[in-house]
Amino acid sequence: AQSVTQLDSHVSVSEGTPVLLRCNYSSSYSPSLFWYVQHPNKGLQLLLKYTSAATLVKGINGFEAEFKKSETSFHLTKPSAHMSDAAEYFCVVSDQVKTIFGAGTRLFVKA
Amino acid sequence: DTEVTQTPKHLVMGMTNKKSLKCEQHMGHRAMYWYKQKAKKPPELMFVYSYEKLSINESVPSRFSPECPNSSLLNLHLHALQPEDSALYLCASSQGSSGASYNEQFFGPGTRLTVL
Repeated sequence: AQSVTQLDSHVSVSEGTPVLLRCNYSSSYSPSLFWYVQHPNKGLQLLLKYTSAATLVKGINGFEAEFKKSETSFHLTKPSAHMSDAAEYFCVVSDQVKTIFGAGTRLFVKA
Repeated sequence: DTEVTQTPKHLVMGMTNKKSLKCEQHMGHRAMYWYKQKAKKPPELMFVYSYEKLSINESVPSRFSPECPNSSLLNLHLHALQPEDSALYLCASSQGSSGASYNEQFFGPGTRLTVL
């Protein structure tokens, strides 16, 4: 069975501090994993993807994520938050069968 | 061109109206998707077209009717909708609908639909 769990529905950070958005997954196959960002009333934009190459994946806007098979995790990080990072973030698992979206994590960035 | 376009941006319709949503991509992708997204929720898959053929229908009511006229275009025909169908409708495309390395989806900006 395939599933994805985003461990926090909301995360609040101050501008300039690190961001950590947590995602755990399960899949019967070797999955591809993605993080998407959605700003209000916009479509989803791909931040980064893991497809069985390097376990540390670098994405756009300074985001990166590390695939940890032993922990079945794919957490998203950024060293220093910017006000423009405030948005909804979705962790997505995809294999040969299906694509599953996590419930989403709303990131708030305080000035 | 790495863009998925959707028209209209906003649509308000009555329960007896017939309308259509349109989606277009010119990336040579062979899979196209319709999603429905309610506020503060993740997108829910409705339909998948693979090589212009309907491959997945997630038990969507028949008042939603998809159409794929060619490999670049995807339509969603709407008829006799209910107020609970009000949502953001997202279109996406990918190189293929199966195989892990091809499952990166490119999303359009969506159509905000309101049913009165």
